[in-house]
Amino acid sequence: SQKIEQNSEALNIQEGKTATLTCNYTNYSPAYLQWYRQDPGRGPVFLLLIRENEKEKRKERLKVTFDTTLKQSLFHITASQPADSATYLCARGFQKLVFGTGTRLLVSP
Amino acid sequence: GAVVSQHPSWVICKSGTSVKIECRSLDFQATTMFWYRQFPKQSLMLMATSNEGSKATYEQGVEKDKFLINHASLTLSTLTVTSAHPEDSSFYICSAPSGTSGTDTQYFGPGTRLTVL
Repeated sequence: SQKIEQNSEALNIQEGKTATLTCNYTNYSPAYLQWYRQDPGRGPVFLLLIRENEKEKRKERLKVTFDTTLKQSLFHITASQPADSATYLCARGFQKLVFGTGTRLLVSP
Repeated sequence: GAVVSQHPSWVICKSGTSVKIECRSLDFQATTMFWYRQFPKQSLMLMATSNEGSKATYEQGVEKDKFLINHASLTLSTLTVTSAHPEDSSFYICSAPSGTSGTDTQYFGPGTRLTVL
């Protein structure tokens, strides 16, 4: 089966630093990897999508990379703020998504 | 951006009863919607794909007779949990794609917390 693994359950960083979250996948490369933000008791909110043939995607303070050799995607938040504190989910697929368990990010003032 | 709503946001029911959850796309039409389930501290798991005007397709291990899906219009899909049991207690979330083909973004509803006593 195609799995998505986010090995870090939680990440604590200081405000202003760059947060880097990791997503690993098994078996063949997915055509798409997506990143979502989920706040407690809420549905996920789409952040970024990266295609298999793209190495990097950016949106404002967010950056996603896709490394098919390492079977890994990295998600970066630069100049992090306390408001960025949330759970970040990685998912493979385009419409029918397979999600990882998420990494809970806490940005301290 | 596009908005997906769910109703109710939470529901408590007795074991053996049925519960209906609605998912609506408020400002766009969705021929396809997706239903997910999320247990505490676990990932979202796709349950089924809801298709407007036709039968839903269910993921392996999901009982179609227990989780009835109806996609009666281009803006509404419903999930009915029949004969609910405590193990069905979970966070149910729907999603719908919006956008031109190839650029679709998945918009998720706010979720429905189901507690079965």
